Amino acid sequence: AQRVTQPEKLLSVFKGAPVELKCNYSYSGSPELFWYVQYSRQRLQLLLRHISRESIKGFTADLNKGETSFHLKKPFAQEEDSAMYYCAQRGAGYALNFGKGTSLLVTP
Amino acid sequence: GAGVSQSPRYKVAKRGQDVALRCDPISGHVSLFWYQQALGQGPEFLTYFQNEAQLDKSGLPSDRFFAERPEGSVSTLKIQRTQQEDSAVYLCASSPRWVGGQGGEGQYFGPGTRLTVT
Repeated sequence: AQRVTQPEKLLSVFKGAPVELKCNYSYSGSPELFWYVQYSRQRLQLLLRHISRESIKGFTADLNKGETSFHLKKPFAQEEDSAMYYCAQRGAGYALNFGKGTSLLVTP
Repeated sequence: GAGVSQSPRYKVAKRGQDVALRCDPISGHVSLFWYQQALGQGPEFLTYFQNEAQLDKSGLPSDRFFAERPEGSVSTLKIQRTQQEDSAVYLCASSPRWVGGQGGEGQYFGPGTRLTVT
C-alpha cells in the first residue's frame, strides 16, 4: 500500500525564520501529490498541488522523484501560518493517502 | 458559495446504537469521498462515489459501515452497532470532476462529524 510519511509531529519556529515541513511518499511512476492545511477551528483545505507548481501564501513544494520527497517550504514564516499540515498522495484508485500531519507553531 | 456541509457536527452514541451521518457536497460535484480521522492521525479513506455509483468501498473497516448516495448529491454514511473504536471524525469531501488518471484535482472538505461512542 502507498504510504506518506511526515516525520515531524510538531515543528516550532520563530516568526521570520525559514520553515520546511518534510514529506516522503511511496514510489510511483507519476505521483500526484498535495499539501492540505487545517487552521484552528477550520476545515481541511487544499494548499497546493505539485502538478500546478504554484506558490500559495508564500509556500512552495518541489517534487523530488529521486528522493521521493515533496517537502513544503516557506522562506519567512508568519504567525498566521500556525496550523496542521498534511501531505497527501493520490493512490492507484481514487483515494488520497494522507500522512499523519505536522503541527506548525510559529512564535513571535 | 456554499461549501461542503455535514450534519450533525457532533454525535454521541452508546455502544451498539446505529448512527447516520449526512454529507451535502458542493452543488454539481461529481465525486464524493468519505474519510475517517482518528485522533492524532491523518484522514483515512473509506469510500468513493462518482455520482450515485459507489466505485470504491475498499476502505470501509467492516460490514457495519454502509454508505449511499442515491440521487448523486447528498450522501449518508451509516454505522450499525457502533463500537468504541468507531470514535473518530468523519470527513466528507467532494470534487467537481471524476477521479481517474492524472486529474490532479484537489478535494473540498466538509467540517466533519465528530462521533464519540461511549
